[in-house]
Formats: sequence, structure tokens, C-alpha cells
Amino acid sequence: DQQVKQNSPSLSVQEGRISILNCDYTNSMFDYFLWYKKYPAEGPTFLISISSIKDKNEDGRFTVFLNKSAKHLSLHIVPSQPGDSAVYFCAARRTNAGKSTFGDGTTLTVKP
Amino acid sequence: NAGVTQTPKFRILKIGQSMTLQCTQDMNHNYMYWYRQDPGMGLKLIYYSVGAGITDKGEVPNGYNVSRSTTEDFPLRLELAAPSQTSVYFCASIDRQGEQPQHFGDGTRLSIL
Repeated sequence: DQQVKQNSPSLSVQEGRISILNCDYTNSMFDYFLWYKKYPAEGPTFLISISSIKDKNEDGRFTVFLNKSAKHLSLHIVPSQPGDSAVYFCAARRTNAGKSTFGDGTTLTVKP
Repeated sequence: NAGVTQTPKFRILKIGQSMTLQCTQDMNHNYMYWYRQDPGMGLKLIYYSVGAGITDKGEVPNGYNVSRSTTEDFPLRLELAAPSQTSVYFCASIDRQGEQPQHFGDGTRLSIL
């Protein structure tokens, strides 16, 4: 039973346009959600997060939206840049537990 | 401040051999984790530790062992390497529970032939 799902293995967008990456979860006990970015031959790096008490969190070009009733979150990147090309992982956990559950990742390609 | 350091970066093992993947962090973090990432898949938790002397199993612990004798170090041991353990292994750490992101090392790419 995969508790965190990223249903799109890949996404390709044009430079300057919006990238929208989606993530669904099944465990209603999750209350903290994160997005990580991963370049080849490097470890994942933290990008942005959101607590379940919020429905939106913004950091520069990156915005995460949380829809608790649908158990869905999305990452918006505006405008997309070629340097954003990477694998993006969605992760979720309970804040009183140290373990995170990860999705399988979405490979974003931003074309110049 | 190096963060999370993993060694080696690459290793090829023969079936049945053993090895230890090293992980050290210099952030004085209490929680440490080992994940494996297979091609096209997400990160699966192997083992984790909430502090020196305390370890617990994750989703996929079979074939692995860990120890945590110091806050800084969290080695992962493969006793009898099998082809199914071919993967990229990531170590991560976090200061405490709560709304904190994990810090990852750059991974160890392991091939079992």
C-alpha cells in the first residue's frame, strides 16, 4: 500500500511557463508535507514544505498547495527555468514521528 | 560544516561479500536514517535511529544491520550481498521531530554482481 503517490513519472514544460507537480496521500494522520528536489548523482535537497494547518505556502517561484479533504498537494513553479530540471519528490509524515514516506518522484524537464 | 557525508560514493561487490556503508553528520542531529532508491522509485526507509544506542527498522530492513554508537555516525552493514541490494543508498539526518526537513548525503551507488 503506497501511502504517497506521484502519478506522473515525468513532466515537460517550456521555459517561462508554469510547472505543476501533483502528489496524493492516503494516510489521514500525515500533517506535514515536503517537496525535495534531486539532481543526478546528488542527494535530495529540501525545497518547500507545508503544515496541515495551512492550505498554501509560498517561497519565491515555488508555491505548495494543500487540499486536505482531497488528500492532495501540488507544487507550482512559476516561471519555470531550465535549472529547475530535476526529479521532485513529495514526502509526508506525522510531525510527532521522525519518519517520512516518499513518493516515487516526478522528473521535470524545462526546455529553453 | 559538511552536513551529511557518505562514503564510498561507488562500490561493486560480489554476491556473498559484506561491506559497511559509512554515514557521518556534523550538525549534532539526533535522528538519522538510511534509505535505498531503486530506479524509477522513491526512497524506501531501511533503518533509522532517534539517538545514540537506539535503532529501529524501517520498511525494508531485511539483509541489513545498523548501529549507532555516537551521535555523528550511523553505519549500514550488508552481511551477505545479494543482487537485489543493488541500489543507491542515501543517509539523512534531522535535528528533532516536528516541522523539520531532512538533510541528505549524496548517496552511495552499490552494485552487486
